[in-house]
Amino acid sequence: QVTLKESGPVLVKPTETLTLTCTVSGFSLTNAAMGVSWIRQPPGKALEWLAHIFSNDGKTYSSSLKTRLTISKDTSKSQVILTMTNMDPVDTGTYFCARTQLPTATMGVFDYWGQGTLVTVSS
Amino acid sequence: DIQMTQSPSSLSASVGDRVSITCRASQGIRSDLGWYQQKPGKAPKRLIYVASSLQSGVPSRFSGSGSGTEFTLTISSLQPEDFATYYCLQYNSYPYTFGQGTKLEIK
Repeated sequence: QVTLKESGPVLVKPTETLTLTCTVSGFSLTNAAMGVSWIRQPPGKALEWLAHIFSNDGKTYSSSLKTRLTISKDTSKSQVILTMTNMDPVDTGTYFCARTQLPTATMGVFDYWGQGTLVTVSS
Repeated sequence: DIQMTQSPSSLSASVGDRVSITCRASQGIRSDLGWYQQKPGKAPKRLIYVASSLQSGVPSRFSGSGSGTEFTLTISSLQPEDFATYYCLQYNSYPYTFGQGTKLEIK
């Protein structure tokens, strides 16, 4: 059974760095076909893709946020970590992680999602 | 970045109605498009991938069509549990981009 679960702080202050963890089970982050993305959603607004990490440790980021984001993984713990620097109240929202199985041309993306974690940025 | 324009932004319909939602890509994305359903307080759920492939377990009243720049999600006969927000997503190239969403409400 494939599951993903996000964890991290509920509240962060402006200018602080956010660190979120996505713990996966039911598949391996070392499997060449597997990758994980982070996606966020401000309250009442649309989904926004943030970053993706491939099984070979390759990474790709949102154009508008790439200077603030770092995605990494700890395969021994089955975890994907996202850090976002210089947090601002506009970064308030629910943060999701989701799985991708290659090849995307036949498998699509984001077949499994975590439940999401709500992060509020406020002083 | 590829822009995804989704329409309408909201839609009011009745149980049993047939409804369609459209997404247009700013450039060709082959069939690299998915449709997702989201209910309040929940994670999105994949309905359609590769533009027209039905996710396992999703009712057959949902269907997807299109390729290139224009795509459609159709629900053939609305059921009460279908009232939700729907998003398209292009994954042809990074950065991946979502449509703005369509909120489907009960008339």
